[in-house]
Amino acid sequence: NAGVTQTPKFRILKIGQSMTLQCTQDMNHNYMYWYRQDPGMGLKLIYYSVGAGITDKGEVPNGYNVSRSTTEDFPLRLELAAPSQTSVYFCASSYGQGLNQPQHFGDGTRLSIL
Amino acid sequence: DQQVKQNSPSLSVQEGRISILNCDYTNSMFDYFLWYKKYPAEGPTFLISISSIKDKNEDGRFTVFLNKSAKHLSLHIVPSQPGDSAVYFCAATSTNAGNNRKLIWGLGTSLAVNP
Repeated sequence: NAGVTQTPKFRILKIGQSMTLQCTQDMNHNYMYWYRQDPGMGLKLIYYSVGAGITDKGEVPNGYNVSRSTTEDFPLRLELAAPSQTSVYFCASSYGQGLNQPQHFGDGTRLSIL
Repeated sequence: DQQVKQNSPSLSVQEGRISILNCDYTNSMFDYFLWYKKYPAEGPTFLISISSIKDKNEDGRFTVFLNKSAKHLSLHIVPSQPGDSAVYFCAATSTNAGNNRKLIWGLGTSLAVNP
């Protein structure tokens, strides 16, 4: 059972480059989330989706875009990479937002912008 | 403005003893709380949760206590094992936000259980 799969695991970008972080889940979960975790900090929500075709901003959406064309996939796009976007990015999914429906996380993408 | 606070960045305990991890929150609208555990190079994994209608929830060696009047919760691990060494995150949310509820995370506490 793969759960939530994120690719790539590591990436170094130059300032101004663009890239897409991939996230896919095989649990048929409706909800998907993108977080970033800066060193020594908690997780901050970037974007989330409550189902295919529906996305919404989280706490720190600036500089990012998302799409949700299928239930399984929720890619995160960085258009013009900036050093402030150096972070570890986590994708998560959940069946719903009920009390017994916790979020399941991928292992993260470590991104450095130089 | 940190709405969920884990004031101890690290904690070290001996194997077999009790580990107590603390979490404070400021938003009185929070009514559901979760603990996640995170190993290096992995994503967080759900550990245990508690609703504000309870003051205690237990799952094996893990117990979470909630003190609503003090806006404080704690995670007890008894007995602690070396495999429990990880970073523990406290997270909170308001179920009144409907389908758009978001988890607010603390900064984490790094637990080291020494053999």
